[in-house]
Amino acid sequence: GDKVKQSPSALSLQEGTNSALRCNFSIAATTVQWFLQNPRGSLINLFYLVPGTKENGRLKSTFNSKESYSTLHIRDAQLEDSGTYFCAAEANSAGNKLTFGIGTRVLVRP
Amino acid sequence: EAAVTQSPRSKVAVTGGKVTLSCHQTNNHDYMYWYRQDTGHGLRLIHYSYVADSTEKGDIPDGYKASRPSQENFSLILELASLSQTAVYFCASSDARGFSGNTLYFGEGSRLIVV
Repeated sequence: GDKVKQSPSALSLQEGTNSALRCNFSIAATTVQWFLQNPRGSLINLFYLVPGTKENGRLKSTFNSKESYSTLHIRDAQLEDSGTYFCAAEANSAGNKLTFGIGTRVLVRP
Repeated sequence: EAAVTQSPRSKVAVTGGKVTLSCHQTNNHDYMYWYRQDTGHGLRLIHYSYVADSTEKGDIPDGYKASRPSQENFSLILELASLSQTAVYFCASSDARGFSGNTLYFGEGSRLIVV
């Protein structure tokens, strides 16, 4: 919800192009996780981040705790990247439980 | 092979009836969670457990009970199902280090429709 704001809410990408998703936090996030919910509804963990950057194949994610945001970059988008991407932040103020954003719907077009 | 399995995957329940959603994990994780997903709300934590025979309230526990009879199994119980509990429910597990340092592994979800 409001504590974790994702943008954009939806995104349409041409296959082979690059794009970035963003999460802004109004809580003092200590760690961030990114998930992909595929069209079948399955939730797949993409990244677990402390402040810093991780890369996995065509995906790259950064978590900047001082400026309270995280980004997920998709490089050379493929059809199987379609789905809804969720970020979730852990914060001491939330009892270290994860607070989820409402997601970014991504459609990759052929 | 799926490490977190939920059953049933889909259910239609009558208002006022009892519903039990079951979750089984083979990750050897101590922590298990139940989330619900509604359009426009992302995922919200209902109950969680960090050890067998103990459960904790999450952010939206009202109307739900949980049971953790063993490390592998975690159930969500709706004693009196209501229309507002129509949603998709996800179970997840994570390792024993508490919320910090945990990666969540989700089941495939259980779609509940209350009529």
